[in-house]
Amino acid sequence: EAEVAQSPRYKITEKSQAVAFWCDPISGHATLYWYRQILGQGPELLVQFQDESVVDDSQLPKDRFSAERLKGVDSTLKIQPAELGDSAMYLCASSQGTVNTDTQYFGPGTRLTVL
Amino acid sequence: AQSVTQLGSHVSVSEGALVLLRCNYSSSVPPYLFWYVQYPNQGLQLLLKYTSAATLVKGINGFEAEFKKSETSFHLTKPSAHMSDAAEYFCAVSDQSGGSNYKLTFGKGTLLTVNP
Repeated sequence: EAEVAQSPRYKITEKSQAVAFWCDPISGHATLYWYRQILGQGPELLVQFQDESVVDDSQLPKDRFSAERLKGVDSTLKIQPAELGDSAMYLCASSQGTVNTDTQYFGPGTRLTVL
Repeated sequence: AQSVTQLGSHVSVSEGALVLLRCNYSSSVPPYLFWYVQYPNQGLQLLLKYTSAATLVKGINGFEAEFKKSETSFHLTKPSAHMSDAAEYFCAVSDQSGGSNYKLTFGKGTLLTVNP
């Protein structure tokens, strides 16, 4: 069964350092999402791609976060510089399209700890 | 914007007992609703989704949910809890993002513990 791949699974970094997370969606899925999940909360959308284009990044802190999906396949989310409040689980998901009934398939996530 | 509210951040049941996890939605249009399960340090797995085809939706692992428009609810149930059901459960609603695209807006989650 096809899965969404993410790496690394765990990342510990110090404040003000740069970090990057990678996501490989299910083959053929046009839409890719990055969510942030703070401990004890539900995931919140950071950025959504349709192929290589950003369709929603309204909740992405653009002064420190960036995301790209250059060839419309895998994606990288970067934080520079990291802050203590960035400690969270970062989840990547993909879906075939952007219809409101499409199922989103989630990867295992990257747990970030900022010291 | 659409939203969901999960009543009860923590539910504890005995093995073999009924599981009931509550979710209420707020939507100005007919909603599309989802339940996901998350095991510790893992991603989210879809349990079931409501897309207006039928009000009673059956999902994986014996779970089901009933859409009740009059109560704006989409509660998740399972007749008999198993130890392996212990996890966090999230209700979500499909919400419009940029243009004609859609995202998921999640509730805060309900942690289910199952006692032997």
